[in-house]
Amino acid sequence: DGGITQSPKYLFRKEGQNVTLSCEQNLNHDAMYWYRQDPGQGLRLIYYSQIVNDFQKGDIAEGYSVSREKKESFPLTVTSAQKNPTAFYLCASVRETQYFGPGTRLLVL
Amino acid sequence: AQSVTQLDSQVPVFEEAPVELRCNYSSSVSVYLFWYVQYPNQGLQLLLKYLSGSTLVKGINGFEAEFNKSQTSFHLRKPSVHISDTAEYFCAVSGGGTSYGKLTFGQGTILTVHP
Repeated sequence: DGGITQSPKYLFRKEGQNVTLSCEQNLNHDAMYWYRQDPGQGLRLIYYSQIVNDFQKGDIAEGYSVSREKKESFPLTVTSAQKNPTAFYLCASVRETQYFGPGTRLLVL
Repeated sequence: AQSVTQLDSQVPVFEEAPVELRCNYSSSVSVYLFWYVQYPNQGLQLLLKYLSGSTLVKGINGFEAEFNKSQTSFHLRKPSVHISDTAEYFCAVSGGGTSYGKLTFGQGTILTVHP
């Protein structure tokens, strides 16, 4: 079955800690995206990558980092610099249409 | 720059009634338009998209939308809703070329279908 997987489903972060959200796709798509979803604000673009070893900042990149070492993987790290990380994080990949993963909910302890 | 405004944050409706979810956009370039549905704690599923051609677009689950360039709108409609249509709906826009995959979303409309 082709698709996008995100793990974990729930993630807890302690103050001052960096955490990494996983995103994997087996759709052979070149482009991948990370969005953050907050209630009443829709989705906002954090980072995107259109090809391996290259990525660009989106609208709200501060406090986040990414890597794209493999075509199928695009992990997102939420750093301690992100002061309000509690949100639902969605990964997507695109060729003709954007396909979304099931999401990771990040909570702060 | 692009922006999307969904004119209603919540829409309550009775089962088997028609529904319209409104979406307006602004953009200085040609756009592609999308409607997505999200069920609680899940990812987004594409309902339909407008890329070019006929301005009336039919999607899954009986939904359709009409692209109106002069009014910069892309309203979503369904003639008869079911309880299972209860979800949050997002309108989104993207540009062409390398910007195609970068979506700008509206704030979302929560559709609640009552029996």
